[in-house]
Amino acid sequence: DVKVTQSSRYLVKRTGEKVFLECVQDMDHENMFWYRQDPGLGLRLIYFSYDVKMKEKGDIPEGYSVSREKKERFSLILESASTNQTSMYLCASSPGASGGRWIQYFGAGTRLSVL
Amino acid sequence: GDSVTQMEGPVTLSEEAFLTINCTYTATGYPSLFWYVQYPGEGLQLLLKATKADDKGSNKGFEATYRKETTSFHLEKGSVQVSDSAVYFCALSRDDKIIFGKGTRLHILP
Repeated sequence: DVKVTQSSRYLVKRTGEKVFLECVQDMDHENMFWYRQDPGLGLRLIYFSYDVKMKEKGDIPEGYSVSREKKERFSLILESASTNQTSMYLCASSPGASGGRWIQYFGAGTRLSVL
Repeated sequence: GDSVTQMEGPVTLSEEAFLTINCTYTATGYPSLFWYVQYPGEGLQLLLKATKADDKGSNKGFEATYRKETTSFHLEKGSVQVSDSAVYFCALSRDDKIIFGKGTRLHILP
């Protein structure tokens, strides 16, 4: 079974803190993704990566950055957390290119509260 | 631009009832279509998919048919169980992106 592990289920941070959300997958997938999930808005793509050390902006990259130094690990960074970044964050991975890229395996999510 | 519209929830049914969750899409070209399911406390997981017109995806008793003429991909199940309670997401993809609907929460009463 593919496993996508997110380092924390719940996090509470203060406004202005730098926040790191970690994600690790164990199936040697090329592609990794970060989404945020908000009630009434569904899933929105923040950043994704098709290979080590590369990254692409998704639909809502503002206020976020990412790092992919190793194939299995994809980190989401909130440079200076703000209250409007309170959300559920989901990491996903997928094998292959083109159409297969969108058959994704998700982690259980990190619920982040910024106070 | 491309979009996915699915019925608002929550949907509440009794066990063994027939389920339909509507999904329609707007897209250029020929997207692939998906249903993902999110059980309580878990991430999303792929439930079924279809990659071309008239394809039927099926899994765990759920079915959906890719209808290009009506731009729809409705999810159906003949007899739901309490364990089907979850949030269901319809999605479409082309090479460069995936777009999720807002999700439909399903409650099944015993």
